[in-house]
Amino acid sequence: DTGVSQNPRHKITKRGQNVTFRCDPISEHNRLYWYRQTLGQGPEFLTYFQNEAQLEKSRLLSDRFSAERPKGSFSTLEIQRTEQGDSAMYLCASISSDRGIYGYTFGSGTRLTVV
Amino acid sequence: QKEVEQDPGPLSVPEGAIVSLNCTYSNSAFQYFMWYRQYSRKGPELLMYTYSSGNKEDGRFTAQVDKSSKYISLFIRDSQPSDSATYLCAMSEAAGNKLTFGGGTRVLVKP
Repeated sequence: DTGVSQNPRHKITKRGQNVTFRCDPISEHNRLYWYRQTLGQGPEFLTYFQNEAQLEKSRLLSDRFSAERPKGSFSTLEIQRTEQGDSAMYLCASISSDRGIYGYTFGSGTRLTVV
Repeated sequence: QKEVEQDPGPLSVPEGAIVSLNCTYSNSAFQYFMWYRQYSRKGPELLMYTYSSGNKEDGRFTAQVDKSSKYISLFIRDSQPSDSATYLCAMSEAAGNKLTFGGGTRVLVKP
């Protein structure tokens, strides 16, 4: 078990381009969360999946953002028509719902810079 | 106003001192209270958690929760330079649910 893996680690993109991030959770974890963290702030909840079902989305998740978790395994987060305000660290976390907070594991994040 | 408030610091202490961190919150539905440590360019790492009110000790770390005051604390004894990091408090309404974080306190332990 290598923990939660996120790719890429860094992404620089031009404003208006689309970007996609990938998260590979711990294999037996059924819940997967996406958070966004800007410089000097704590992570903010974006959305989460239980298996393949997307159960909750934050109002922070505008129409330009979409997330998927096909077959309840890895997840992708896509941002369309990126804006400079999208520059942030995007963190993925996974947990097994029957283990409570002990199992909450974060990845190292994808740092997005929109220029 | 944010649901969880945390002094951003930085908090600078000499090696061996006690580090005292705290958060206040407004949502009375929060039941689980956690402290995470985050090193630069890394994901948060769970340090301590407490369910409802009370104290919990683990090695050099002590977490306290006072739900009546909506106030939580983390104490780090015998601080080491390796404790230099950003400390985030986090809370949830139920185990395994989404976390609401404070803004983080940057701590610097000087040798």
